[in-house]
Amino acid sequence: EPEVTQTPSHQVTQMGQEVILRCVPISNHLYFYWYRQILGQKVEFLVSFYNNEISEKSEIFDDQFSVERPDGSNFTLKIRSTKLEDSAMYFCASTTLGEQYFGPGTRLTVT
Amino acid sequence: AQSVAQPEDQVNVAEGNPLTVKCTYSVSGNPYLFWYVQYPNRGLQFLLKYITGDNLVKGSYGFEAEFNKSQTSFHLKKPSALVSDSALYFCAVTYGEGANNLFFGTGTRLTVIP
Repeated sequence: EPEVTQTPSHQVTQMGQEVILRCVPISNHLYFYWYRQILGQKVEFLVSFYNNEISEKSEIFDDQFSVERPDGSNFTLKIRSTKLEDSAMYFCASTTLGEQYFGPGTRLTVT
Repeated sequence: AQSVAQPEDQVNVAEGNPLTVKCTYSVSGNPYLFWYVQYPNRGLQFLLKYITGDNLVKGSYGFEAEFNKSQTSFHLKKPSALVSDSALYFCAVTYGEGANNLFFGTGTRLTVIP
């Protein structure tokens, strides 16, 4: 069964550093998303991406964040200058239409 | 604005008993409703969805949910709980057609007691 994959599973970085979180969505899916979950809190939408551009973004997704689909398979989330409060689990998701399929997540720890 | 409420942070149920995890929603337009389950250190796994049609929706692992438009609810149910059902359950809503982003509830931790 096809699945969304994410790398790395855990990323530790120092405050102010850039990080890139990587996702490989399900191959025939057209819509891609990033969500985050701060420890003990609910899952929050960050950004959606369709047809090689951002279709919607939340207030969390400020200028420090960017997304890219550099080739036909990868979908990346970049945080330019990480802050302590960026520590969270980041989930990638994809869909055609209907339910979204989530990856296992990347745990980002900013020290 | 879209929102989801899960009024119970924790639900405990004895193995073999029926379980209910509650969810109410607020959305502009027609709601698309989902339940996801999260096991420790894992991602979100899709359980079931309501888009249109029959108000009783059946999903994975014997779970079902009932859409109630008048009460704006979408409670998750299972007739007989298993210990392996113990996990964190999230209700989510989106709106209209297309692939809009999901709005999640705060989650309910289900513990099934042997």
